[in-house]
Parts: sequence; C-alpha cells; structure tokens
Amino acid sequence: DQQVKQNSPSLSVQEGRISILNCDYTNSMFDYFLWYKKYPAEGPTFLISISSIKDKNEDGRFTVFLNKSAKHLSLHIVPSQPGDSAVYFCAASARDSGGYQKVTFGTGTKLQVIP
Amino acid sequence: EAGVTQFPSHSVIEKGQTVTLRCDPISGHDNLYWYRRVMGKEIKFLLHFVKESKQDESGMPNNRFLAERTGGTYSTLKVQPAELEDSGVYFCASSPTGRGAGANVLTFGAGSRLTVL
Repeated sequence: DQQVKQNSPSLSVQEGRISILNCDYTNSMFDYFLWYKKYPAEGPTFLISISSIKDKNEDGRFTVFLNKSAKHLSLHIVPSQPGDSAVYFCAASARDSGGYQKVTFGTGTKLQVIP
Repeated sequence: EAGVTQFPSHSVIEKGQTVTLRCDPISGHDNLYWYRRVMGKEIKFLLHFVKESKQDESGMPNNRFLAERTGGTYSTLKVQPAELEDSGVYFCASSPTGRGAGANVLTFGAGSRLTVL
C-alpha cells in the first residue's frame, strides 16, 4: 500500500518555464513533507520541506504548496533550468511508536528541462 | 564535513551467495536508515537505527536480511542467501540526533547497487 504517490513518472519543460511536480498522500498522520532531488549514480539530496501547519514554503526558485484537505502537495520550480533535470522524490514523515520520524518516499518524477 | 559513505558502489553476485553492504553515516548522527529502490519504484524503507539499537525494522523483507550497527557508528546490511528479487539500489541515510523536525531531513549516501544473477 503506497502512502505517497507520484502519478507522473516523467515531465518535460522548456527552459525558463515553470515546472510543476505533483504528489498525493493517503496517511493523515504525516506532519512533515519533503522534496528530494536525485541525479544519476548519486543519492537523493534534500531540496525543500514544509510543515503540515503551513500551506506554502518558498526557497529561491523552489516553492512547495500543501493542500491538506486534498492530501496533495506540489513543487513549483520557476524558472526551470537545464541543471534542474533530475528525478524528484516526494516524501512525507510521521512519528513512529517511539516518537521518531519515519520518512516515506514516492516513486519519483523524472524532470527534463529542455534548453 | 564528510557525507554518508557507502561501500561497495556496485556488487554483482550469483543467487545463493552472500553480500555485505556497509554504511558510514555522518559523524554524530544517531539516526541511521536503510532504504532500497528497485528500478522505477519508490525508495522503500527497510529499517531505522538509533545509535546501536534497531528502532524500527518493519521494512525488512525477510530473515535473509540482517542489519547491524556496531557501537552506534557504521552499519552493515547482509543479504544471505541472495535471491534475484533482492536486486536494486540500497541507500543508507543518516539524520541528526533526536526526534525533532530536523531529524527527518535525511542525508543520503550514493547507494550500493546490488545485482543478483
């Protein structure tokens, strides 16, 4: 049972335009949401996060939006650059029985930014 | 600051053989996680150490997988005997001490790709 879903396996965007990556989740206990970026042959690297008490967080070209009622979040990249081409993983965390954060990942969306 | 280091980067073994993957987390990070990604699928949780203790091993596929974390420092993940379906990329990640929000920002290693033939 996949609790974090990224339904678009790939996305192509022209350089300079906006990239929108979407993510849906099912577990209402998630209280923190994160986006990771992964280049080939490397591990995922943290990009941006948002607490469940907020609906928007912005960091430079990257903005994450959270819609709790719809259990949906999205990552906006404006303007998109060729160096943004990577696989983007949506992740969500909830506390386990010991109070520790347990992070659950989606399947990833491969973004290609065309020069 | 050194990142999370994993070894080997790639291992090719035959079904029935044994493989041991190693992870060195960021120094001082008490939380250490193992994840696995099979081609095109999600990065799936395997287990979580807090120092040397297994906090959560609910994601371990079966008893052919054994994880240890000696003295709360580096960790090993042994697969014995390996099966074809164990192929994938095994990621190790660590995060700062504690249960706060910062603990869910994981720093990943580059992964160990396991191919079982």
